[in-house]
Amino acid sequence: AQSVAQPEDQVNVAEGNPLTVKCTYSVSGNPYLFWYVQYPNRGLQFLLKYITGDNLVKGSYGFEAEFNKSQTSFHLKKPSALVSDSALYFCAVRDRDGANNLFFGTGTRLTVIP
Amino acid sequence: GAGVSQSPSNKVTEKGKDVELRCDPISGHTALYWYRQSLGQGLEFLIYFQGNSAPDKSGLPSDRFSAERTGGSVSTLTIQRTQQEDSAVYLCASSLIALNYGYTFGSGTRLTVV
Repeated sequence: AQSVAQPEDQVNVAEGNPLTVKCTYSVSGNPYLFWYVQYPNRGLQFLLKYITGDNLVKGSYGFEAEFNKSQTSFHLKKPSALVSDSALYFCAVRDRDGANNLFFGTGTRLTVIP
Repeated sequence: GAGVSQSPSNKVTEKGKDVELRCDPISGHTALYWYRQSLGQGLEFLIYFQGNSAPDKSGLPSDRFSAERTGGSVSTLTIQRTQQEDSAVYLCASSLIALNYGYTFGSGTRLTVV
């Protein structure tokens, strides 16, 4: 079975400070991992993915995420938050050898305070 | 097309009526997915189409829900005898056959059952 946990429903951070949005996953095999962002009244947009190789993945808008196999985590990070980063963030996982659909977490609402 | 197109963007219907939601995927994307996003919930997988293979219907919540994909392109999600708990945003996504490319999502259809 595959599952994703985003333990924080809401994350608040001051503009200019580093941000972290947490994600842990569970798959029976090796994972594909993704982060998506949803801005108000918009569809989900792809941010970044981990498929294989370097554990540190860089994506759009200055975001990055680190795959940690031992902790089964894939936390999203950004060194300096912008007000425009305020949005709903979803982590997703797929087992390489499992079903073809992605399993999504419940989302974390990020608010960057000016 | 340039992106995944969904119509209508908003739909208000009376309880007990049938509704059809349409998804037009990116040209050349052989995989198409339907998800449901309810308030306070994550993305709930509904159904997955891949090429000419039989669809994966494992996420459909009841037999009132069905979907088809004609000609390997446009997909229609049908909800019969709608209930208030069907109110949600229905998201369609498409991808290339290899899932490690991730999904491209449409903007969704907001369904309200009154």
